[in-house]
Amino acid sequence: EDQVTQSPEALRLQEGESSSLNCSYTVSGLRGLFWYRQDPGKGPEFLFTLYSAGEEKEKERLKATLTKKESFLHITAPKPEDSATYLCAVQATFGSQGNLIFGKGTKLSVKP
Amino acid sequence: KAGVTQTPRYLIKTRGQQVTLSCSPISGHRSVSWYQQTPGQGLQFLFEYFSETQRNKGNFPGRFSGRQFSNSRSEMNVSTLELGDSALYLCASSIFGSLDTGELFFGEGSRLTVL
Repeated sequence: EDQVTQSPEALRLQEGESSSLNCSYTVSGLRGLFWYRQDPGKGPEFLFTLYSAGEEKEKERLKATLTKKESFLHITAPKPEDSATYLCAVQATFGSQGNLIFGKGTKLSVKP
Repeated sequence: KAGVTQTPRYLIKTRGQQVTLSCSPISGHRSVSWYQQTPGQGLQFLFEYFSETQRNKGNFPGRFSGRQFSNSRSEMNVSTLELGDSALYLCASSIFGSLDTGELFFGEGSRLTVL
């Protein structure tokens, strides 16, 4: 069964304190791995798509990396406005009918 | 460019009632997917519509149904509401949906409370 597990469930950082969020997955062939950001009361907002092991993508203070079993979202020198829930999702080549399977998210709080 | 619009944003129903939620996708997007989000289960896929046809369906009971109109707008209906149906219902649109790996654009959701 295709599955996505994110850790930790919650993470508290001080402003400027870098850290990483983990997304481990098991799928019957990976078509793509996605990172989304969700603010309270809002829908998820797309951040990155990764397609193959070794791929990296960056956006401002965020950098996403991908291996064959997991993805990391690295946050460098975070600011309070980076506080949000970060969701990881996978799209399988086979099974799951091609739709996104989401992890439960990591809730990030950045204190000034 | 207008985003995905969902109505209503908030609603309260009682057990046994039925509810209809609406979603207007981004212009030009032919795929609309619906997700249920709860604190315990996270985002779970309900169904996807593409060009007025249901393409995929998640593991939800038959009380959950949907449809898509010729202008790509979509509605989902939940009949005989149960307490466990309380959730944030999210609609997402994309150009090709599950046929592609393009990003999904989510609306802000409809928060349903069942009493």
